[in-house]
Amino acid sequence: EAQLVESGGGLVQPGGSLRLSCAASGFTFNNYWMSWVRQAPGKGLEWVANIKHDASQKYYVDSVKGRFTISRDNAKNSLYLQMNSLRAEDTAVYYCAKCGFLEWFNNWFDPWGQGTLVTVSS
Amino acid sequence: EIVLTQSPATLSLSPGERATLSCRASQSVNSYLAWYQQKPGQAPRLLIYDASNRATGIPARFSGSGSGTDFTLTISSLEPEDFAVYYCQQRSNWPPGSTFGQGTRLEIK
Repeated sequence: EAQLVESGGGLVQPGGSLRLSCAASGFTFNNYWMSWVRQAPGKGLEWVANIKHDASQKYYVDSVKGRFTISRDNAKNSLYLQMNSLRAEDTAVYYCAKCGFLEWFNNWFDPWGQGTLVTVSS
Repeated sequence: EIVLTQSPATLSLSPGERATLSCRASQSVNSYLAWYQQKPGQAPRLLIYDASNRATGIPARFSGSGSGTDFTLTISSLEPEDFAVYYCQQRSNWPPGSTFGQGTRLEIK
């Protein structure tokens, strides 16, 4: 059974940095696109970024371009999100999700991790 | 960017009743639409993919329909555990990305 576990969230000041991790198990990690999705407190879901199975392609929502970097280490079955220049509006629970098998359009977001909370505040 | 608009924002029904949730896309997404259920304090769970296919382990009372710009999630007879927030999602192929609707809260009447 596929399982994802996020870590690395916490309280950070505006302008600060944080690195989130997502540990994957129960599936062949290096065959799947992966995504980060966030949810601000009491709000809906927002797709943040994705990365191809071999890390050759990465895409971001406009609001995080130039500030966030998605990466992966297939040898460690791990996904990462480096977040720089953090703003109050980045406060959210961040989820990682397993996506398409080899191609982006092959599958949907299933499963999701339990999420990790990032709070940007002074 | 494709915008998904869900309606209603909140739906108040009783157990045993039928629920009909709507999702409208700002341009055609063909059948590339999914539905997710989210309960308080939990991660979203995939219910329906490609507009009308139930994900593994999803009860038959959940069904999806539609194509192009108009989609519907139907719960034929509500169980107590179905009261949650439901999101629709589209996946764009180029550039590879995704957007979600704003959600419909299904609450007990």
